[in-house]
Amino acid sequence: QSVLTQPPSVSAAPGQKVTISCSGSSSNIGNNYVSWYQQLPGTAPKLLIYENNKRPSGIPDRFSGSKSGTSATLGITGLQTGDEADYYCGTWDSSLSARQVFGGGTKLTVL
Amino acid sequence: EVQLVQSGAEVKKPGESLRISCKGSGYSFTSYWISWVRQMPGKGLEWMGRIDPSDSYTNYSPSFQGHVTISADKSISTAYLQWSSLKASDTAMYYCARNTRGHFDYWGQGTLVTVSS
Repeated sequence: QSVLTQPPSVSAAPGQKVTISCSGSSSNIGNNYVSWYQQLPGTAPKLLIYENNKRPSGIPDRFSGSKSGTSATLGITGLQTGDEADYYCGTWDSSLSARQVFGGGTKLTVL
Repeated sequence: EVQLVQSGAEVKKPGESLRISCKGSGYSFTSYWISWVRQMPGKGLEWMGRIDPSDSYTNYSPSFQGHVTISADKSISTAYLQWSSLKASDTAMYYCARNTRGHFDYWGQGTLVTVSS
């Protein structure tokens, strides 16, 4: 079971908006930056959002991130079929066993 | 251009040893930690541990401590992940990734390790 909780799947039609939630605790999301990764089928993960809401160069502004308390959210607008992928949130966990942690992943289906 | 290039797929038998590699290029290899991430078939991402290539200091996830060893050779800008005795449950895709301020900005292409008798 993952330290961070994500919905297993979300779906929406092309052109629509979708949000993916990531829930944690004070030892992880509550006191550390959150990042988001996109994993297209058969490929390595790719950084989408870092430090809660920043986009690396080359990531379109259709992707956005936010954080409030011990939860974070990834938003994707103007959905495209090419956005079908698994999405993971990640952060540092500052508990006794300090380590990087990920959510279980959310499968996005663009209907 | 920053690149992390991993070694090729491996097929091993239970009990065998293995070392896979991750070669960095296009940046100062000793300026960023390198992490290893496991992805079992059909499952999510699991952080295994990381290394500071400048001095080979390591951190491990409690789940992997004692089961794998992470090392690096800064003279050839390469990080390694090794097992002394593989198990069938080690079958997975393994990724290396560059650590930047708590996130992973560049990833290797992955190395598939299959352990089967």
